[in-house]
Amino acid sequence: AQSVAQPEDQVNVAEGNPLTVKCTYSVSGNPYLFWYVQYPNRGLQFLLKYITGDNLVKGSYGFEAEFNKSQTSFHLKKPSALVSDSALYFCAVRDWRRDDKIIFGKGTRLHILP
Amino acid sequence: GAGVSQSPRYKVAKRGQDVALRCDPISGHVSLFWYQQALGQGPEFLTYFQNEAQLDKSGLPSDRFFAERPEGSVSTLKIQRTQQEDSAVYLCASSLARGGATNEKLFFGSGTQLSVL
Repeated sequence: AQSVAQPEDQVNVAEGNPLTVKCTYSVSGNPYLFWYVQYPNRGLQFLLKYITGDNLVKGSYGFEAEFNKSQTSFHLKKPSALVSDSALYFCAVRDWRRDDKIIFGKGTRLHILP
Repeated sequence: GAGVSQSPRYKVAKRGQDVALRCDPISGHVSLFWYQQALGQGPEFLTYFQNEAQLDKSGLPSDRFFAERPEGSVSTLKIQRTQQEDSAVYLCASSLARGGATNEKLFFGSGTQLSVL
């Protein structure tokens, strides 16, 4: 069965610095990979996805993520963090050869320090 | 409506009581998912519909949990004889895509926070 690991419960970054939120995945087939963000008192929002093609995908709010098949990773990155990026970030995976369900990681809380 | 709507926003139930949680997906969205999110955890998959067909219910934790989407639009998640461990936020998400294609962009509702006393 597919699974997602987010090894960090919390990441602290100073405003203006680059940020990375880590994600590794496990699937038996080919993965579809996603990042979602959850702001306080709001529903989860789609940030970006990897389906196929270029390993570096760009998404909303200046975020990007790099698919690394050999390391089974899909880390979320941003070159320069904003205080408004502070939120809860979830990595998710779907094994497209098996079924349609999308499995989420436990989340990483990102704190951007002014 | 403009987004996925869930009701009620908050539900307090006494242990043993039955509850019903409603989800109104975005009009025209084929796929509908239910997730359970415990405090400090990620969303846990419960079940998935494509139109009115429940294609996957592997995540439902017990036979006390039941979901339906009889007309392929509104969905209801029912929990019978609620227990304290059922306390969580229940999230509904919908997607335009059909199964087999990429359900890649899920639109989530704000959730129903269920507290079982």
